Amino acid sequence: ETGVTQTPRHLVMGMTNKKSLKCEQHLGHNAMYWYKQSAKKPLELMFVYNFKEQTENNSVPSRFSPECPNSSHLFLHLHTLQPEDSALYLCASSQGERRDEQYFGPGTRLTVT
Amino acid sequence: GQNIDQPTEMTATEGAIVQINCTYQTSGFNGLFWYQQHAGEAPTFLSYNVLDGLEEKGRFSSFLSRSKGYSYLLLKELQMKDSASYLCAVLDSNYQLIWGAGTKLIIKP
Repeated sequence: ETGVTQTPRHLVMGMTNKKSLKCEQHLGHNAMYWYKQSAKKPLELMFVYNFKEQTENNSVPSRFSPECPNSSHLFLHLHTLQPEDSALYLCASSQGERRDEQYFGPGTRLTVT
Repeated sequence: GQNIDQPTEMTATEGAIVQINCTYQTSGFNGLFWYQQHAGEAPTFLSYNVLDGLEEKGRFSSFLSRSKGYSYLLLKELQMKDSASYLCAVLDSNYQLIWGAGTKLIIKP
């Protein structure tokens, strides 16, 4: 248990569906991140929030829409995804933005059919 | 461009020692992280190096040479539970975290 939880753990969705991924951190951290992890590829940083303000959007397609209502919760809203979006989506948090070690959630394994 | 290189896969024997190398070319340097990721699980923090030299933490040690753009993770007295992927990541001058693709370590009895 890292103090970061993610739901759901597994998700299968069609290309026309709309779904949301949820992340919650119980560590009192100020920064939260969404990553995409594909097999044998480096982690791809998608979004960064610091004190619930978005500080980075790494050229992510608009079919991925993040939401950070407070410093403890982070959502990733998904719509009209493509099969190549199938991957493990990891949420992480850290005390300070970027410089500190990150605590990762277990991830959501997403399959787009 | 910015780049992190690590071997894709390594195999070692239980009880032995293994060294996982990481070389990097980044725009500036503000530290290097190692994370461990078991299959199907979250990455977990192992070490952080910002100055040259060796940092030891129990069975795991991490070494950094900034002039050579090089780090290694040394695992001693290998146990079966050490089978995992090991991720190297570098903080560049803009505090962007650049990740390697990870090294899958297989431990054999």
